[in-house]
Amino acid sequence: DIQMTQSPSSLSASVGDRVTITCRASQSVSSYLNWYQQKPGKAPKLLIYAASSLQSGVPSRFSGSGSGRDFTLTISSLQPEDYATYYCQQSYSTPRTFGQGTKVEIK
Amino acid sequence: QVQLQQWGAGLLKPSETLSLTCAVYGGSFSGYYWSWIRQPPGKGLEWIGEINHSGSTNYNPSLKSRVTISVDTSKNQFSLKLSSVTAADTAIYYCARGVVAPAASGGSCYPFDYWGQGTLVTVSS
Repeated sequence: DIQMTQSPSSLSASVGDRVTITCRASQSVSSYLNWYQQKPGKAPKLLIYAASSLQSGVPSRFSGSGSGRDFTLTISSLQPEDYATYYCQQSYSTPRTFGQGTKVEIK
Repeated sequence: QVQLQQWGAGLLKPSETLSLTCAVYGGSFSGYYWSWIRQPPGKGLEWIGEINHSGSTNYNPSLKSRVTISVDTSKNQFSLKLSSVTAADTAIYYCARGVVAPAASGGSCYPFDYWGQGTLVTVSS
């Protein structure tokens, strides 16, 4: 199985801050890396697919980059509705695996 | 507008079989991979397995001996059965659609673009 490791596990940030979350795979996943946002009591929501493609309807302040083993999710200017937990997920091979999550909290 | 609606028993006793069904509304059933994903309370996401419209499956090896995913294309539904459940199987179970999406590096990525509402399944004696 490909292990996905996110850092940090949690962070505190203020509205307007630039936020960066990293995800490292235990082996190369090419660009087959996706990012999700999950709010309490809700299903995850797809933000970014194929490492850097913005899902339809997702605000442009979200962006993704990386390839191989190392990936980044960036929120350019944090908004109140962005407080949530973020997960990366590889779709390079089965079993599909997720990172452990990064919780973004209000500072 | 695509919607995934799921249902099934929410309370099981140890050794029973978990059974959930997910219905797909508002979109094609073929051309996608249909997955089950679970999340223990307060924890992260675990992929259980997937099926396509023709019935081809992939399972997580950690659960493979206990999992069966099946499809009913006449009803645009797919189902999950997990046998011999224990307390460790207590989780919110989600169904999700895996879409074929082109990657800049070539080939196809399979993100989960639509999700069901989730079903909390509790295993307790």
